[in-house]
Amino acid sequence: GQQVMQIPQYQHVQEGEDFTTYCNSSTTLSNIQWYKQRPGGHPVFLIQLVKSGEVKKQKRLTFQFGEAKKNSSLHITATQTTDVGTYFCAGQEGNFNKFYFGSGTKLNVKP
Amino acid sequence: DAGITQSPRHKVTETGTPVTLRCHQTENHRYMYWYRQDPGHGLRLIHYSYGVKDTDKGEVSDGYSVSRSKTEDFLLTLESATSSQTSVYFCAIKTAGTNEQFFGPGTRLTVL
Repeated sequence: GQQVMQIPQYQHVQEGEDFTTYCNSSTTLSNIQWYKQRPGGHPVFLIQLVKSGEVKKQKRLTFQFGEAKKNSSLHITATQTTDVGTYFCAGQEGNFNKFYFGSGTKLNVKP
Repeated sequence: DAGITQSPRHKVTETGTPVTLRCHQTENHRYMYWYRQDPGHGLRLIHYSYGVKDTDKGEVSDGYSVSRSKTEDFLLTLESATSSQTSVYFCAIKTAGTNEQFFGPGTRLTVL
């Protein structure tokens, strides 16, 4: 069945350093979404990528969708303590009803 | 957040007892989802609904059933709870236009 793998599982960085998390799907995706979950909170939608090779930016966050639509990445430039949390990717195949989540990358930022 | 509430927020129960979790939304969204979240597994889809009385299975549906008798409520039932069902359960809705999911605050369930 569909699997979305996400690495790394944990990342500890010093404030100001960059951070990247990667997702890889076993099948071609229709789209991929990214979510952030703060400690003790619920996942919050960040962005959706649909097109092959798409790149989107939100301030210090850069999201990419691979040419083959099987992989994606989230890059944070110059991390801040407010970036702390777990970042999840979630992919959809042709059926736009089901979402397949990666296992998440937990980011810790030391001030 | 999209008017989603979950009840109860915390529950401790014993193995073999039935448990029902409720998800309530106020904005008439068609799609509703139940996920469980466990360390190292991210969020895994249990069941989802695409309308009143219309439901489908997710990737970890064994041991769970759902019902949706009205648009605003989506119920998740554990017929006979097991310790492996100890988890945090999140409900979510999907917006039709943007395909975004909005999550409820979660229910922490412990099965002893």
